[in-house]
Amino acid sequence: NAGVTQTPKFQVLKTGQSMTLQCAQDMNHEYMSWYRQDPGMGLRLIHYSVGAGITDQGEVPNGYNVSRSTTEDFPLRLLSAAPSQTSVYFCASRKGGKLFFGSGTQLSVL
Amino acid sequence: GQQVMQIPQYQHVQEGEDFTTYCNSSTTLSNIQWYKQRPGGHPVFLIQLVKSGEVKKQKRLTFQFGEAKKNSSLHITATQTTDVGTYFCAGPYSGAGSYQLTFGKGTKLSVTP
Repeated sequence: NAGVTQTPKFQVLKTGQSMTLQCAQDMNHEYMSWYRQDPGMGLRLIHYSVGAGITDQGEVPNGYNVSRSTTEDFPLRLLSAAPSQTSVYFCASRKGGKLFFGSGTQLSVL
Repeated sequence: GQQVMQIPQYQHVQEGEDFTTYCNSSTTLSNIQWYKQRPGGHPVFLIQLVKSGEVKKQKRLTFQFGEAKKNSSLHITATQTTDVGTYFCAGPYSGAGSYQLTFGKGTKLSVTP
């Protein structure tokens, strides 16, 4: 099993551009989530999903959209990137209360 | 909102010294989890504590959950360079339809050989 796979690993955007961060898991976990990590801020929850077709907002959802059409995939969309969205993004699935993280996407918005 | 406070933010030790990080919640927790993130890596689950006063050990790591289930600690005995990284605690807080894990800001450990 590959676990949780995130792509791309690195991305540079210009302000106003849009992009989608991909996340896929092959563990058949119902719960998936997106966190962002900023220096000194820990991990903050952006959006989460408890199953296909169901999504909800976390602590810092503004500027991000998600959808969950399948159990395996949970993409994160930035519709109009802003410098404040420069961060490292982690996707995670959950089973038995335990989070399994992907390797992360380092995003820079200029 | 729910908060998990973690101290210290940074800790530098000489190899062989002990290290402790502390986690405090503003509310009672049903359980608490600990994760380790190596530099440049992603968080990796270490352990989950559920019972009041619970103590668990993993080799040189000792995890404790307070009697009131509002605080926890991670103690590393005789640190090694392989212990370098950031240690996070995380507590579950109920949301609509599911609970969410809220993370502390982490303690970054550096170890000098």
